[in-house]
Amino acid sequence: AAGVIQSPRHLIKEKRETATLKCYPIPRHDTVYWYQQGPGQDPQFLISFYEKMQSDKGSIPDRFSAQQFSDYHSELNMSSLELGDSALYFCASRQTNTEAFFGQGTRLTVV
Amino acid sequence: GEDVEQSLFLSVREGDSSVINCTYTDSSSTYLYWYKQEPGAGLQLLTYIFSNMDMKQDQRLTVLLNKKDKHLSLRIADTQTGDSAIYFCAPERDDKIIFGKGTRLHILP
Repeated sequence: AAGVIQSPRHLIKEKRETATLKCYPIPRHDTVYWYQQGPGQDPQFLISFYEKMQSDKGSIPDRFSAQQFSDYHSELNMSSLELGDSALYFCASRQTNTEAFFGQGTRLTVV
Repeated sequence: GEDVEQSLFLSVREGDSSVINCTYTDSSSTYLYWYKQEPGAGLQLLTYIFSNMDMKQDQRLTVLLNKKDKHLSLRIADTQTGDSAIYFCAPERDDKIIFGKGTRLHILP
């Protein structure tokens, strides 16, 4: 069965650079979520989209933005990267009123 | 994760049952998930329970839900070394999944 695909799996960036993370949800899923998991932390909700419209926003820094495209894939853009942005970034998708599935995550390392 | 509480560590002997407990605050949660995360790896959906159920069994896994007390538990029967991981209790709230801090399960030989 198709799963949530995230790319890249690993990314190394320098401070003040920009990073773009991509998420390809399971086909026919109408909702996408982004989470950030710092070292030794639980995943924290960043932002979600329902049918390509932003539906909810959590603790997402102003330096970050996200969007969902017409083909339902989503991108998380992070600018002016800081060392503290080093984390695992997860994307999840679901069809309304069904269970959510997470991707394998993108490990971002800022040096 | 302050809305979801779970103990941080659990040690269990191989072959015994592991029980991981979780309490949450939002009584409107519809789906309540358990995720497993091994070191450096992604979040693996172990099982979930819908809020109108009080028990769900799936092979070695049993989930119990007490809605009145807002208590969720995960029982792993015949715990194996491969079960060593962090287990996150993750109830849904306002259409998003809220994670607990995770319980690190350590298997004793």
